[in-house]
Amino acid sequence: DAGVIQSPRHEVTEMGQEVTLRCKPISGHNSLFWYRQTMMRGLELLIYFNNNVPIDDSGMPEDRFSAKMPNASFSTLKIQPSEPRDSAVYFCASSFLSGKKLNQPQHFGDGTRLSIL
Amino acid sequence: AQSVTQLDSQVPVFEEAPVELRCNYSSSVSVYLFWYVQYPNQGLQLLLKYLSGSTLVKGINGFEAEFNKSQTSFHLRKPSVHISDTAEYFCAVIPRGTYKYIFGTGTRLKVLA
Repeated sequence: DAGVIQSPRHEVTEMGQEVTLRCKPISGHNSLFWYRQTMMRGLELLIYFNNNVPIDDSGMPEDRFSAKMPNASFSTLKIQPSEPRDSAVYFCASSFLSGKKLNQPQHFGDGTRLSIL
Repeated sequence: AQSVTQLDSQVPVFEEAPVELRCNYSSSVSVYLFWYVQYPNQGLQLLLKYLSGSTLVKGINGFEAEFNKSQTSFHLRKPSVHISDTAEYFCAVIPRGTYKYIFGTGTRLKVLA
């Protein structure tokens, strides 16, 4: 089975530009997570979708960040305008969670390494 | 509030030697426990998990971990490491009733020839 697929794998862009990161979750999974990983802060949960609906966006740093999940097989994380401090590795993860089973493991993509110059 | 502590940021070990990576957690509610491995330029991959039952859990690649409720620990062990085990290892918990992982800061395992 294909795992979580993220694109692009690497993105280098200049400050002020719009950046769009893409994620295709594992087929059949109903939950999708976006994380950011930096040396200073480790892994941070940015946003959690369940059945395509944003459930928890409390980790989104500021209004420059937005995420959408138009259907069960696709999600985007957008940064506009981008800043150098947004440089990090962004991971998408998916899982199948239900009311009685919130403890299922998350499956991670290989990440997008974002560099803002 | 819950927290996960991985005291060792780096662990060097010679090939074929045993290794233990330590993980302690703090939580006011029961938790589920996980170990993930991250190879360079890759995402996190599940090594093993403890949800209930036997406190000794076996995972992939010859790793195992033991849940110790009284010591609130979930240490990861392997009896004989290989060069290919060089990676970063993350301990994580999910408090019962939630979906959010709480990750440790990671331990970088370096296997030396």
